[in-house]
Amino acid sequence: QVQLVQSGAAVKKPGASVKVSCKASGYTFTAYYIHWVRQAPGQGLEWMGWINPNGGDTSYYAQNFQGRVTMTGDTSISTAYLELIGLRSDDTAVYFCARLNRGIYNYEYAFDIWGQGTMIIVSS
Amino acid sequence: DIQMTQSPSSLSASVGDRVTITCRASQGISNSLAWYQQKPGKAPNLLLYGASRLERGVPSRFSGSGSGTDYTLTISSLQPEDFAIYFCQQNYHTPLTFGGGTKVEIK
Repeated sequence: QVQLVQSGAAVKKPGASVKVSCKASGYTFTAYYIHWVRQAPGQGLEWMGWINPNGGDTSYYAQNFQGRVTMTGDTSISTAYLELIGLRSDDTAVYFCARLNRGIYNYEYAFDIWGQGTMIIVSS
Repeated sequence: DIQMTQSPSSLSASVGDRVTITCRASQGISNSLAWYQQKPGKAPNLLLYGASRLERGVPSRFSGSGSGTDYTLTISSLQPEDFAIYFCQQNYHTPLTFGGGTKVEIK
């Protein structure tokens, strides 16, 4: 069964950092980019960036997160990681990893497999 | 950045109704559009990609159309399990962006 399983919820203080894991199974981990998307309580979806697990941790981050986010991968255990530093109260959200399926043509890109989400609460 | 504007933000409908949700991009996105369904406490679930291609396992009552900047998700006959929030997403250019969502509620 193709799936992404994320680490559990965490409560962090402002200024702290958090590292969320996303373990892939049922497919070749290095064959698909992993993206990260977050969702604040009651809000919409915000894209954070991607990592190419087959590219020596080649990654790309949304401008909103540059300088605070690092996405990495460990191919030996088929796991991607999201690290966010300098946490603020507005970082309180559910963080999702998602597999990007490229389809046959460029316009067919879509997130076909999602992790279950990891709730991160930032509170003093 | 490409802005994705979804409408309506919410709607009430009955089982069996035909439902249409619209997504407008701030610039042309060449059919690089996906639709997702999200239920409370769950991750989004891919319904359609490439604007009109049905993801494997998704019921055929879901369909998508559009081109350029304007896209539509249609549910031909709403079922009880379809009450959820629907998001569009453009994959044409980074940063990838989502519509604000449409909440489909029971009338």
